[in-house]
Amino acid sequence: GNSVTQMEGPVTLSEEAFLTINCTYTATGYPSLFWYVQYPGEGLQLLLKATKADDKGSNKGFEATYRKETTSFHLEKGSVQVSDSAVYFCALSLNYNNDMRFGAGTRLTVKP
Amino acid sequence: EAGVTQSPTHLIKTRGQQATLRCSPISGHTSVYWYQQALGLGLQFLLWYDEGEERNRGNFPPRFSGRQFPNYSSELNVNALELEDSALYLCASSFEFTENTEAFFGQGTRLTVV
Repeated sequence: GNSVTQMEGPVTLSEEAFLTINCTYTATGYPSLFWYVQYPGEGLQLLLKATKADDKGSNKGFEATYRKETTSFHLEKGSVQVSDSAVYFCALSLNYNNDMRFGAGTRLTVKP
Repeated sequence: EAGVTQSPTHLIKTRGQQATLRCSPISGHTSVYWYQQALGLGLQFLLWYDEGEERNRGNFPPRFSGRQFPNYSSELNVNALELEDSALYLCASSFEFTENTEAFFGQGTRLTVV
């Protein structure tokens, strides 16, 4: 079946550190890949997306590249801020099929 | 344009009762998804409705059910509530059959079973 696996948290970093949150997927077909972010007390918001292999999604200094050969979509940021503290969810959907699947979420805490 | 709206914001029920949660999708969206976010357990897929039909359901017992109305709004019903049903229930909506399908989320309904 279609599924997403992300690295378990929690992740704690100091401000300005480099961030990587790993995400791998299993899917029949060619999925679109997403990262969603959930700030404390809020709902999920789309952070970035990529719809085909080798696409790079980027937003707010975060980046992720759709790697078909490794079935991965790792989230990276070069210098995290305290305001980046949140839970990050990797997700997939199959084009022309709205079956959205999310990873378990990774809680990131950035300390000043 | 209004986003995905969920009601009520908070709901407190007694074990064994039934809970009904409601979701209004973004105008024009035909798909509605329900997720359970229990404390420390991440996002668990519950149900997917599209064009009034249940398209898929996650690994939850039959006492979790729902429906989608002709205006694409949706209800999630949880019967015979158990303490472990306490969670944040998130609704999301999306367009159907587009290359860049992405889900837009509501703020959630916090269900507490006592």
